[in-house]
Parts: sequence; structure tokens; C-alpha cells
Amino acid sequence: GQNIDQPTEMTATEGAIVQINCTYQTSGFNGLFWYQQHAGEAPTFLSYNVLDGLEEKGRFSSFLSRSKGYSYLLLKELQMKDSASYLCAVGRGGGADGLTFGKGTHLIIQP
Amino acid sequence: DSGVTQTPKHLITATGQRVTLRCSPRSGDLSVYWYQQSLDQGLQFLIQYYNGEERAKGNILERFSAQQFPDLHSELNLSSLELGDSALYFCASSARQGSNTEAFFGQGTRLTVV
Repeated sequence: GQNIDQPTEMTATEGAIVQINCTYQTSGFNGLFWYQQHAGEAPTFLSYNVLDGLEEKGRFSSFLSRSKGYSYLLLKELQMKDSASYLCAVGRGGGADGLTFGKGTHLIIQP
Repeated sequence: DSGVTQTPKHLITATGQRVTLRCSPRSGDLSVYWYQQSLDQGLQFLIQYYNGEERAKGNILERFSAQQFPDLHSELNLSSLELGDSALYFCASSARQGSNTEAFFGQGTRLTVV
């Protein structure tokens, strides 16, 4: 089966740091993705982790622990435009393509 | 702009009807994915085509079907529509097959079944 859990909603302050956690239990694994989605818009790619450890890309970093089935997305120097939903997704692997998405974390940035 | 084009942007139709959603992938991308996003289920993978051939199936209902044409555009056909089919339907494309590939999403088609 496929199960991806992430918090439904989080609130943070402009200029601060926020960490969005994601835990997964999936029958296949071919990497973990984070996407950003503003309301009513298309998801846009943020990061991809396939090996354990931290990947840094500007203000965004993503961490993966395969043994724990755990990932997090770290957003630094928060800006108002970072208010969006953040979707954790697992590559299905095992010869099966497509991504299994969590339901997303709605991040609200306050001034 | 991701380079993936979906038409129409909005569609309102009645229960029992049939609709076709269209997707043009980014130039050069061979893989096309279809996803359904509803408020309670989140983004659900429906089906993938690679270079004209069906590659993978997800949670796609038997009332739904898709195809990818020689020019690589794809169509998703939804028939015998029910109220619960109301959702945002996204198409995504990637250069290669394989779920370790970054996918680029179109702006979606919002389907409302009344």
C-alpha cells in the first residue's frame, strides 16, 4: 500500500525558518520529491532526494532518511510569496512510474 | 510557464456526459502523466504514456481512458460522468520514463459535473 503523511497546515512568520515533515510507507521507492503549489495553480518542482542526506538549493533544503521513511523540507528567510501548499511525493519505483503524493501541507506566512 | 499546455481550462458538464481533456507536453518530452486533484483525495496518479505507449496505471477508473498520439499530445477521456468526478485534472510531462524524473505540470483543467 501507499501512505504518505504530512501536517495539514502550518503557520510561520516572514523572515523565519520552517520545517515541513513527511513520513512515508510505500511498496516501492524511487526517490522523494517536494513540489510547491499555489492555490488553483500547477505544482512546481522544488527538490528530489534519492540518497540519504541533505540537498540544499538556495533558501530551500530537503532531507531524506530512507531507513526511517522520513523527509523534511526546510524553508529559510521566509517570504510572503512562500504561502502555498507543499506536496511530498514518492516515486513509485519497482518498474511503476508516476508519483504518489501526500495531501499537502498548507503553509501560511504571517507578517 | 512550464511549457505544458492543457485545454480547456474550465469545463462544466452534466452527469452522464462524456468529455475529453487535452494535453500538449513540453517540446521534446516523451512521457505524459495524468493526475486528478480533489479536495479530499489530494493529487492522485491516473495513468502514464511514454512515446505513444501506455507505461503505467494508477487509480484510474474504467470509465476513464487516455491515449497519446504520434505528435505526443495526449487526451484523457472521461465518460458516464458522476458528481464525484468534479476535480482539477493535471497533465505533466517529463523527458524520460521513470519515476525519478522531474515532471512539469500544466495549469490543469477544472471539471465541474452538475
